Amino acid sequence: GDSVTQMEGPVTLSEEAFLTINCTYTATGYPSLFWYVQYPGEGLQLLLKATKADDKGSNKGFEATYRKETTSFHLEKGSVQVSDSAVYFCALDPGNFNKFYFGSGTKLNVKP
Amino acid sequence: SQTIHQWPATLVQPVGSPLSLECTVEGTSNPNLYWYRQAAGRGLQLLFYSVGIGQISSEVPQNLSASRPQDRQFILSSKKLLLSDSGFYLCAWSPDRGHEQYFGPGTRLTVT
Repeated sequence: GDSVTQMEGPVTLSEEAFLTINCTYTATGYPSLFWYVQYPGEGLQLLLKATKADDKGSNKGFEATYRKETTSFHLEKGSVQVSDSAVYFCALDPGNFNKFYFGSGTKLNVKP
Repeated sequence: SQTIHQWPATLVQPVGSPLSLECTVEGTSNPNLYWYRQAAGRGLQLLFYSVGIGQISSEVPQNLSASRPQDRQFILSSKKLLLSDSGFYLCAWSPDRGHEQYFGPGTRLTVT
């Protein structure tokens, strides 16, 4: 079945460090892929998305490329800030059902 | 623009008491609606989703139920709460399958 696997957290980085959060997926069809961010005590916010292979989603300095050959959608940012501290969720929409599959979330802590 | 509301924001209820959480969406029609639960430090668990008035799909058999009495209203209920029902409850909407989901601010439920 369809599923999403994220790297375990927490991830702790110093300000201005490079960030990578790994996400791999399993899907039978042609899914859309998403990254969501959740700040403490809040709901999830859509960070970026990609709807087909080789698409690159980007927003607020974050990027992720839909790699069908490696079934991956890794989240990257060149220089993290303290304000990026949050939990990040990778998600998959198979497109043929009315629901998403979410990864377990990766907590990011950025130290000044 | 579309907005999603949830209330209450926080709730403390004794074991065995009833529950009613409400979610409403503004600025769109016939959305897909979702209820998720997030236990402390954990990922998202899909509880229910709805593609139309009176149409509810349950993902996890438990003592919770959901109803959709109006197009943009989604209610999560329980007749008797358990300690294990504590968590952060998130409502989300989507314009249709294959599209991103948009989340509400959440309700923090503590069962004592």
